[in-house]
Amino acid sequence: GAVVSQHPSWVICKSGTSVKIECRSLDFQATTMFWYRQFPKQSLMLMATSNEGSKATYEQGVEKDKFLINHASLTLSTLTVTSAHPEDSSFYICSANWGTSGGREQFFGPGTRLTVL
Amino acid sequence: GNSVTQMEGPVTLSEEAFLTINCTYTATGYPSLFWYVQYPGEGLQLLLKATKADDKGSNKGFEATYRKETTSFHLEKGSVQVSDSAVYFCALSDRFQGAQKLVFGQGTRLTINP
Repeated sequence: GAVVSQHPSWVICKSGTSVKIECRSLDFQATTMFWYRQFPKQSLMLMATSNEGSKATYEQGVEKDKFLINHASLTLSTLTVTSAHPEDSSFYICSANWGTSGGREQFFGPGTRLTVL
Repeated sequence: GNSVTQMEGPVTLSEEAFLTINCTYTATGYPSLFWYVQYPGEGLQLLLKATKADDKGSNKGFEATYRKETTSFHLEKGSVQVSDSAVYFCALSDRFQGAQKLVFGQGTRLTINP
């Protein structure tokens, strides 16, 4: 199957700094990628849909100025957490669609654990 | 809006026991249904899926049947192994501009003891 990577796998930062997380589709091109947030022992919450060459579509309640998404190429989407605070600490997961319209499947990255001190 | 409800975990079973993880959904239209598995330290992987009513998805000994009348997609396995220990997520797809927007249940942690 298709492979999606994320970098870094974990990051610790100080409150007030910005952190960038990369999501790459390694062996396929993805016009659409998704960013999720997973709290401990809870489900994945969709944050936004990232479209190559256009603005991301954010879910209700997600601050677009805080979580900046850029999908500059067909294999790379980035999520930047700006002015991070301890409440932003979480597990961030990306996914990318692959396949034909009749059988698209989402492939998930391994996730990035963010800890804000 | 669309939603998915899974039975709460954690679930602990002995090896070779029968497994059922319940999943029900609320959706408009005719969504596709999925089970994803997340092994420790890894990303989510698609376990099985069903795209229309009465379809049965199966993989690695796991099965789930799309029941429209009960809006359910329960996951079953006849004889679990220690290697099945993971977190299982039920999900439905909500078509969004041709892409596949997933709505997840809360996840069920499964532990299989030898």
